[in-house]
Amino acid sequence: GESVGLHLPTLSVQEGDNSIINCAYSNSASDYFIWYKQESGKGPQFIIDIRSNMDKRQGQRVTVLLNKTVKHLSLQIAATQPGDSAVYFCAENDSNTGTASKLTFGTGTRLQVTL
Amino acid sequence: KAGVTQTPRYLIKTRGQQVTLSCSPISGHRSVSWYQQTPGQGLQFLFEYFSETQRNKGNFPGRFSGRQFSNSRSEMNVSTLELGDSALYLCASSLHETQYFGPGTRLLVL
Repeated sequence: GESVGLHLPTLSVQEGDNSIINCAYSNSASDYFIWYKQESGKGPQFIIDIRSNMDKRQGQRVTVLLNKTVKHLSLQIAATQPGDSAVYFCAENDSNTGTASKLTFGTGTRLQVTL
Repeated sequence: KAGVTQTPRYLIKTRGQQVTLSCSPISGHRSVSWYQQTPGQGLQFLFEYFSETQRNKGNFPGRFSGRQFSNSRSEMNVSTLELGDSALYLCASSLHETQYFGPGTRLLVL
């Protein structure tokens, strides 16, 4: 059949508010997770990562939460700024495959920051 | 430290032709992975090279191939181009687990 474009869910947030972007992963064996930010015309930019032996990790203005029971990952951005507008991808990896370099990406979420 | 660089940034080819894309990893990174990004399929893993050897491979046809040189620079080649090969091709390098991406090469097949 004809392939269709991925429909990116969009999250619209007012400047200064907190953003929460969610991601469901499929492989229960995945033990390493990364969030990337991709701006138009650019490659994905690393934001934050977390291993499966943790359930929370904080960076500068960002927090990643991992719930292995329901295979759910979230990215929280505090005090969202216009420069945060981008597409956000979660990615997972099962290091038991022998390499940490075969990432499986989610479909992405578009974050729109309104003034 | 310079980031991952990819050349060329944009490329237009016609069906049946072949193309070679180049990637220079971050200095000291020995692993280079390639991904294809399209609106229809999202980001998909092509293959990974480490110390000049292909260490992992995604589910792409044999028309897609790659290699890595002793300085860790990598190239990927697509032969007999099809319209569906139009995509953003991304290269990522890593020292350990975290992959850092380049800006990509946008390939348009006419």
